[in-house]
Amino acid sequence: NAGVTQTPKFRVLKTGQSMTLLCAQDMNHEYMYWYRQDPGMGLRLIHYSVGEGTTAKGEVPDGYNVSRLKKQNFLLGLESAAPSQTSVYFCASSRGQRNQPQHFGDGTRLSIL
Amino acid sequence: LAKTTQPISMDSYEGQEVNITCSHNNIATNDYITWYQQFPSQGPRFIIQGYKTKVTNEVASLFIPADRKSSTLSLPRVSLSDTAVYYCLVGFGTDKLIFGTGTRLQVFP
Repeated sequence: NAGVTQTPKFRVLKTGQSMTLLCAQDMNHEYMYWYRQDPGMGLRLIHYSVGEGTTAKGEVPDGYNVSRLKKQNFLLGLESAAPSQTSVYFCASSRGQRNQPQHFGDGTRLSIL
Repeated sequence: LAKTTQPISMDSYEGQEVNITCSHNNIATNDYITWYQQFPSQGPRFIIQGYKTKVTNEVASLFIPADRKSSTLSLPRVSLSDTAVYYCLVGFGTDKLIFGTGTRLQVFP
């Protein structure tokens, strides 16, 4: 049972390049989340999804887009990467949004030069 | 303004009890408080969750006062393997889930 799997684990981009981070979960969870983690700031919610085909903005959505075409996958896109997006990105899933524990992947470390 | 506040760091010795507090003044009426543990290069891992009073599981206890404006994670008899960053997660309003900034716990032998 893999839980939550994030791809890739590391990536270096140049300013202006685009890329997509993939999150896959095998727990049949309805809710999925994308966070970014920066030193001294904890985890901040970027976007989340309450089910297949739905997405919503979190605390820091600017510069990111997401898609949830399949229940098990949640994609995070950067259309034009900026140095301020250098961070560690975590995906999580849960059975419910507010009061159910979230299960996290091990993160994608992204550097924008 | 939705905000959670935790101490930045704490030190302890093996075998001691550690209490980490999270302040959350504007918690929503129906929301739970959840605590996570994170090791380097890993995602956060669920520890415990509660709504009010006291909750205990095999690894920790969670104390929540009647006004629910704070919560305290209690780790009994810590070991070196408990060295990690601990986060509280609280819901605010109808669509906000806010993580605290984390407490770095260092356990010494």
